[in-house]
Amino acid sequence: SQQGEEDPQALSIQEGENATMNCSYKTSINNLQWYRQNSGRGLVHLILIRSNEREKHSGRLRVTLDTSKKSSSLLITASRAADTASYFCATDAWTSGTYKYIFGTGTRLKVLA
Amino acid sequence: DVKVTQSSRYLVKRTGEKVFLECVQDMDHENMFWYRQDPGLGLRLIYFSYDVKMKEKGDIPEGYSVSREKKERFSLILESASTNQTSMYLCASIDRLGSPLHFGNGTRLTVT
Repeated sequence: SQQGEEDPQALSIQEGENATMNCSYKTSINNLQWYRQNSGRGLVHLILIRSNEREKHSGRLRVTLDTSKKSSSLLITASRAADTASYFCATDAWTSGTYKYIFGTGTRLKVLA
Repeated sequence: DVKVTQSSRYLVKRTGEKVFLECVQDMDHENMFWYRQDPGLGLRLIYFSYDVKMKEKGDIPEGYSVSREKKERFSLILESASTNQTSMYLCASIDRLGSPLHFGNGTRLTVT
């Protein structure tokens, strides 16, 4: 079952603008992670935020987590053409006696030069 | 840096064939995972393994099996390939639960 749902499904912006992607999930989590995938390649981990954290920064990335709303957002500031990729959120937690990483369906970001 | 290597980037197989997808990681990780990725469905977990010779079914194990005879290698087996198994297959590993997943580059399998 898909726990994370990203919004929007696709986003097109101009270089230099900020890009915001949102993720919603359904059950309690330990961590929420964001990954990036260039076309036809594997996923690369970007940033992890723990369930007791509310905000985290890494370079041009800013992630927020609202556990009361079961949602997270990823902000990419001053976007570049090289940021063009798909972005996925993933939650990890114990689920029915098993530790699982559950991914959403992703946001396709296109940054126009 | 952790390296997760999937043996093939592209594979084309015929319906009914037995297919082996191989994944090797070089960081002595305990946990390994197989996902498939389809447009609009995101990543779905097929099988995972917490240790050598140990395996657990994920959300969509039907039509698949796995083998983990050595810690560094986790193989996904399609017993009798079908066209609905045409997909991108992604292998990942982690050292401990809750850590970020390290992914291979994926194998794009086409079953004709």
